[in-house]
Amino acid sequence: KAGVTQTPRYLIKTRGQQVTLSCSPISGHRSVSWYQQTPGQGLQFLFEYFSETQRNKGNFPGRFSGRQFSNSRSEMNVSTLELGDSALYLCASSLAGTSVSYEQYFGPGTRLTVT
Amino acid sequence: AQKVTQAQTEISVVEKEDVTLDCVYETRDTTYYLFWYKQPPSGELVFLIRRNSFDEQNEISGRYSWNFQKSTSSFNFTITASQVVDSAVYFCALILRPSGGYNKLIFGAGTRLAVHP
Repeated sequence: KAGVTQTPRYLIKTRGQQVTLSCSPISGHRSVSWYQQTPGQGLQFLFEYFSETQRNKGNFPGRFSGRQFSNSRSEMNVSTLELGDSALYLCASSLAGTSVSYEQYFGPGTRLTVT
Repeated sequence: AQKVTQAQTEISVVEKEDVTLDCVYETRDTTYYLFWYKQPPSGELVFLIRRNSFDEQNEISGRYSWNFQKSTSSFNFTITASQVVDSAVYFCALILRPSGGYNKLIFGAGTRLAVHP
């Protein structure tokens, strides 16, 4: 079974630009979550999508948004990039449950550098 | 407040030593899940174990073992006879029971383990 894939793996952008990151979950997984990892803040939850709907949201500004398509693939977008947005962005997929939490499987991440 | 604390920032051991990584969590919820993930230098988080709050049974998987104690809010991870390939950052994480979904992982800061030959 193929794992979680993320594209692109590396990105360099300039302040003020916007960026779109893509995530394809494991086949059969309907929940996709996004996390930001930085040396200063560690791993922080951005949002989770299930059945094309945002089900959970972390404490990030509105510049961070996402969506999920009918095939469960997900994209996240960051507009008006700031230097502090430089990070490793990790996508995770899992079986979806409302009364139980399943393990999340992570992709290799997209390393975003903002200059 | 919900929080995961991994007090050990870095641990350095020599191959074949046993090592225990500590994890202490805070939550008022009675239903929650605890996880351990490994992040090797490649960057990808690798799932190791999931435990729910109603299952305090300890678990062993090969050289890995986990000790879950609700009385002390701890979920510690022990590697027996460590190997160089165990070198990585290890994260302990918590999922609470929010309405509408169960997938918001709250991570600890991680413990960097270096195993030397």
